Amino acid sequence: GENVEQHPSTLSVQEGDSAVIKCTYSDSASNYFPWYKQELGKRPQLIIDIRSNVGEKKDQRIAVTLNKTAKHFSLHITETQPEDSAVYFCAATPYSGGGADGLTFGKGTHLIIQP
Amino acid sequence: DGGITQSPKYLFRKEGQNVTLSCEQNLNHDAMYWYRQDPGQGLRLIYYSQIVNDFQKGDIAEGYSVSREKKESFPLTVTSAQKNPTAFYLCASSIAASGGRTDTQYFGPGTRLTVL
Repeated sequence: GENVEQHPSTLSVQEGDSAVIKCTYSDSASNYFPWYKQELGKRPQLIIDIRSNVGEKKDQRIAVTLNKTAKHFSLHITETQPEDSAVYFCAATPYSGGGADGLTFGKGTHLIIQP
Repeated sequence: DGGITQSPKYLFRKEGQNVTLSCEQNLNHDAMYWYRQDPGQGLRLIYYSQIVNDFQKGDIAEGYSVSREKKESFPLTVTSAQKNPTAFYLCASSIAASGGRTDTQYFGPGTRLTVL
């Protein structure tokens, strides 16, 4: 099955600086890569996702890049703000053709924005 | 994701007891999922269902059971066979994969289960 590794486990950056979180996956059949943000005690919220037919996707201060050859994808947050502080999870899943399969998640990155 | 509800928010269980967690959605989504989250860990897939009356085991199905009798509902039973059930349980749903693509999963607010 799929295995997703996520680094770093904790990331502390100054407010206004950029943050980068990296994930690698093992199953070359994976073709959907979402990123979720989870605040303490709350549900994960989708912030951006990318499919294997594109290499980069942007949404305001957030971007995701995908390298299918190397089997890694990264989350980039620019101009970080205090409200960006949370735990971020990457995930991956293949499309098996039979319907919607479950996601395999990384273990999360605790992003801390220092004022 | 406001259309996915889970109840109760907190649940306490004695060892040896079965307990059922509720998940309901009014988004008309075909697919539903159950994940378990432990402190400092990512989410792990327990069971998922692509259509009514059908479901598949995920990575950690042992000690759990599910049913999918209605499109809107996907209850999870934590049985006494689950050796370490204390965790945060999250339900999710998605429209369903179609046209060769996987659709976004939206999560419910979660149930925090504690075994006493």
